[in-house]
Parts: sequence; structure tokens; C-alpha cells
Amino acid sequence: GNSVTQMEGPVTLSEEAFLTINCTYTATGYPSLFWYVQYPGEGLQLLLKATKADDKGSNKGFEATYRKETTSFHLEKGSVQVSDSAVYFCALYTGTASKLTFGTGTRLQVTL
Amino acid sequence: GAVVSQHPSRVICKSGTSVKIECRSLDFQATTMFWYRQFPKQSLMLMATSNEGSKATYEQGVEKDKFLINHASLTLSTLTVTSAHPEDSSFYICSARATIKEGEQYFGPGTRLTVT
Repeated sequence: GNSVTQMEGPVTLSEEAFLTINCTYTATGYPSLFWYVQYPGEGLQLLLKATKADDKGSNKGFEATYRKETTSFHLEKGSVQVSDSAVYFCALYTGTASKLTFGTGTRLQVTL
Repeated sequence: GAVVSQHPSRVICKSGTSVKIECRSLDFQATTMFWYRQFPKQSLMLMATSNEGSKATYEQGVEKDKFLINHASLTLSTLTVTSAHPEDSSFYICSARATIKEGEQYFGPGTRLTVT
């Protein structure tokens, strides 16, 4: 079956530090990959996505590249801000399953 | 665009009572809606998938008779937690999908249920 593995959190960084949140996946077929963000007390918002190998998704300074050879979709940001503090979920979708499969989420805490 | 609302945002109910949570797509028609439960360690569990006008498909281990889902129209789905118990206390999130667009789902803000 499909599965997504994310690095354990919480991740604590100082403002302007470089962020990497690792995500690897197992899937049958050719999945689309997503990063969702959840701010405190809110639902999830789509942050970025990539639908095929070597695609790079980007939004709000965040980037992730779909690496088929390593089955990975790591999230990166060059300089985090306090406002980026949230929980980040990696997810995949295949037409076969017709539903999103989420990782367990990684909490990011950015301090001044 | 693509806004999904949930009501109520918070609800407290007594053990043994039922509570209904509404999920609405405000500016699009949702052919499919999903209900998730989020646990304290942030893990998100898919409970069921509902398509408008048909019965919901429940994930393994989710009690159909306890978590009643109705997707009466293309903009409204409801989750009713029947005979609630304290262990049902959780954060419930719905999402909606307009088309079979590669997994893009739009999430509601969630409902915090507390059963006393």
C-alpha cells in the first residue's frame, strides 16, 4: 500500500535559518506529491505540489523537488520566519487509491 | 476561491448525546468530501469518503453506526457523532474535492469536539 514517512519533530529553528523537512514515500503507480501546512487551530492548506518526477513545487519561499530515484519530496526554505511556525504534512495521491495518504506531520517552531 | 467552512468550530457535549458537524464548500461544487480525525500528536486519520448522493465509504476500523455521514448536496456534508463518549473528543476536519484533480483537496478549519 501507499505510505509517507516524515522526519520526527518538533523542529526548532532560529529566524532566518535554513529549513529542511525530509519526506519519503512508498507508492504503487505514479503518485502526485504534496506539502500541506496547518497553522495553530486551523485546518490544512495546500503549500505546494508536484505531479511528476523532477517537478519542483514552490510557494512562499518553500520548495520541494519530486525525486523518483530516491522516492523523496523534501521540503526546504532558505530563511524561515516566525510566521512559518506550523505543522507540515507531506502527502501523496494516486488515482488507484483516489485519496490522499498523509505523513504524520512535522511541527516547526521558529524563534526570534 | 475554493473555500471550505465547518460549523461549529467548537462544541462541547455530554456523554451519550449526539452532535452534528457541517462541512460546506462555499464557492465550488464538491463531488467528493472527506472526513478526518486528528489526534493529539497531530496524526491525521481519514475516517470516510463521501460522494454526493451515495453512501459514504468508511475506512477500516471506523464505526459506520457511530459516525454517520450524509452528503446531501454538492456543497454540504455532515458528520454526526452518535452517542458520544469522552474518547470521541478530538479535532475533526473535513475536506472537499471539486474534480478528480490529482488529489487537490480543500480543507475546512476543523471542529474541536469535547465530550464531557
